[in-house]
Amino acid sequence: NAGVMQNPRHLVRRRGQEARLRCSPMKGHSHVYWYRQLPEEGLKFMVYLQKENIIDESGMPKERFSAEFPKEGPSILRIQQVVRGDSAAYFCASSPASNQPQHFGDGTRLSIL
Amino acid sequence: GNSVTQMEGPVTLSEEAFLTINCTYTATGYPSLFWYVQYPGEGLQLLLKATKADDKGSNKGFEATYRKETTSFHLEKGSVQVSDSAVYFCALSDGAGGTSYGKLTFGQGTILTVHP
Repeated sequence: NAGVMQNPRHLVRRRGQEARLRCSPMKGHSHVYWYRQLPEEGLKFMVYLQKENIIDESGMPKERFSAEFPKEGPSILRIQQVVRGDSAAYFCASSPASNQPQHFGDGTRLSIL
Repeated sequence: GNSVTQMEGPVTLSEEAFLTINCTYTATGYPSLFWYVQYPGEGLQLLLKATKADDKGSNKGFEATYRKETTSFHLEKGSVQVSDSAVYFCALSDGAGGTSYGKLTFGQGTILTVHP
């Protein structure tokens, strides 16, 4: 049973470009969470989605960031017009239900030049 | 709001030493508590969990007990190995049931290095 798959593992963008991070949850998991880990800090919640619905985006910056989890395909975290401060590791987690433990992917390390 | 405070690191131990990493939390309601471990370049792996007061989570020789009276969930291991070197995160989620959901609040992480 494949785990949570994130790609790419590493992503380099120049300031002003767009970054798209993908997350395929574990089979049978319909709940997806995105977290951001800044250097030498813990993970911070960004957004929680179920298929086609955003349940909680209280941790998302108000501008430039968006997330989706379409009926078919992976969940996408999109960052428009990236800035140096967006450099971080972005982790996706999935669970079969909201009260079940989350399983994490290996993350996408985003570097902004 | 919810918060988790972890013992600041890094922690450096010799192999077979006793390990304690302190974790205290602030939360409304009845959260579930977790310890996650992160190896270099990887994502987080669930190490153990406890969902109610006085529960003890255990896995791979690690243990932690949910102490509601002291709002703590300290991680312990009797004899660490070099392979235990990693970053350890304490976390909580809003309680199960009702309209709550499993958004995790993490501590800042504790780096553990074990020398042979």
